[in-house]
Amino acid sequence: GAGVSQSPSNKVTEKGKDVELRCDPISGHTALYWYRQRLGQGLEFLIYFQGNSAPDKSGLPSDRFSAERTGESVSTLTIQRTQQEDSAVYLCASTPASAVYGYTFGSGTRLTVV
Amino acid sequence: GENVEQHPSTLSVQEGDSAVIKCTYSDSASNYFPWYKQELGKRPQLIIDIRSNVGEKKDQRIAVTLNKTAKHFSLHITETQPEDSAVYFCAASRNTGTASKLTFGTGTRLQVTL
Repeated sequence: GAGVSQSPSNKVTEKGKDVELRCDPISGHTALYWYRQRLGQGLEFLIYFQGNSAPDKSGLPSDRFSAERTGESVSTLTIQRTQQEDSAVYLCASTPASAVYGYTFGSGTRLTVV
Repeated sequence: GENVEQHPSTLSVQEGDSAVIKCTYSDSASNYFPWYKQELGKRPQLIIDIRSNVGEKKDQRIAVTLNKTAKHFSLHITETQPEDSAVYFCAASRNTGTASKLTFGTGTRLQVTL
């Protein structure tokens, strides 16, 4: 597609429920990144994919967080047993294979855990 | 891992004045330094970037300088306008020819007053 697409744009969930967030990268971009941005805060790295492998998942906050990617396309970030501190905007970005230059972010998913 | 510090956290300038935001990084192998602008409720957007083989880059009213020895880089905005009001993030990465993550600073909220 023309840009990085994320869905849903907004998600309200009850504490303890599981959620899935989806990211569609720019066509042809083999690298995909997930970041978390709490209200008024900076961008916190979660995980990145090169193709469907994840060379760096060091930012995943706990084992409640997991992510997968199908081939060089869609990625899903799953948060199990959501907690209130998971409330944030989850941003996805993609780049071509060869470099980190030109990160393009999606519009994000605003997750609210009540 | 990389650590990026950013100052100031907030900055207020009068329209027409210059604004300077400074960042330091810890990983001497980092070689790519982008700056992102994030307007309220919007996604971060790349405004300028610099690679470690140059010391300065300019694009109209925006310039970035890099001091590799001191491991710091700065964003300079001249002739500020109200539409420059936003949160600005610096970032650093070690680009080795394959995708790698960006480490972001904590952001600077710039307010341009009339």
